[in-house]
Amino acid sequence: AQKVTQAQTEISVVEKEDVTLDCVYETRDTTYYLFWYKQPPSGELVFLIRRNSFDEQNEISGRYSWNFQKSTSSFNFTITASQVVDSAVYFCALSEAGVDTDKLIFGTGTRLQVFP
Amino acid sequence: DVKVTQSSRYLVKRTGEKVFLECVQDMDHENMFWYRQDPGLGLRLIYFSYDVKMKEKGDIPEGYSVSREKKERFSLILESASTNQTSMYLCASSFLQRETQYFGPGTRLTVL
Repeated sequence: AQKVTQAQTEISVVEKEDVTLDCVYETRDTTYYLFWYKQPPSGELVFLIRRNSFDEQNEISGRYSWNFQKSTSSFNFTITASQVVDSAVYFCALSEAGVDTDKLIFGTGTRLQVFP
Repeated sequence: DVKVTQSSRYLVKRTGEKVFLECVQDMDHENMFWYRQDPGLGLRLIYFSYDVKMKEKGDIPEGYSVSREKKERFSLILESASTNQTSMYLCASSFLQRETQYFGPGTRLTVL
């Protein structure tokens, strides 16, 4: 069965610290997609990244970077030099490439608090 | 930019009332989804739709129904609201299957 685990319920850091949010997934498919979303206090989920299972290259976007490792079924997210505006709940999600499915399986989220 | 809007940010209803939550997307997306979000449980899929007048059950469809009469609009209906349906409801849309889902701002529903 598909499953996404975000073991860190809440993380608190001080501004300018680096922080890594962990995501471990389970799937029997060889083709699948992984996502990260950010949910600020306003409530809207903001899309951050989509990665397919055949692309294991790490990705960097400004202060954000993602480390995809199929060997450990992990898709971790690192924020470098965190800022107060990074405070939010972050969700990792998995989508399998089945014929009749377009479901996103979400983890339970990690609440990140960045203090000034 | 993709724009997904939901009819209300906050809604308070009484037990037994019929509740309509509306979602509209302006990007001609084929697929639309309704999720509910509860603390400690993440997001769970209620219903989704691949096309007008089509609907598919998600993981927790009990107590809900949906309607998609037009491509841009997807409604979630609580036929008889109950207190255990107090939750945050999020609508999403995507262009094709397995493409990125874009979310609306959410409706926080309280059933008294």
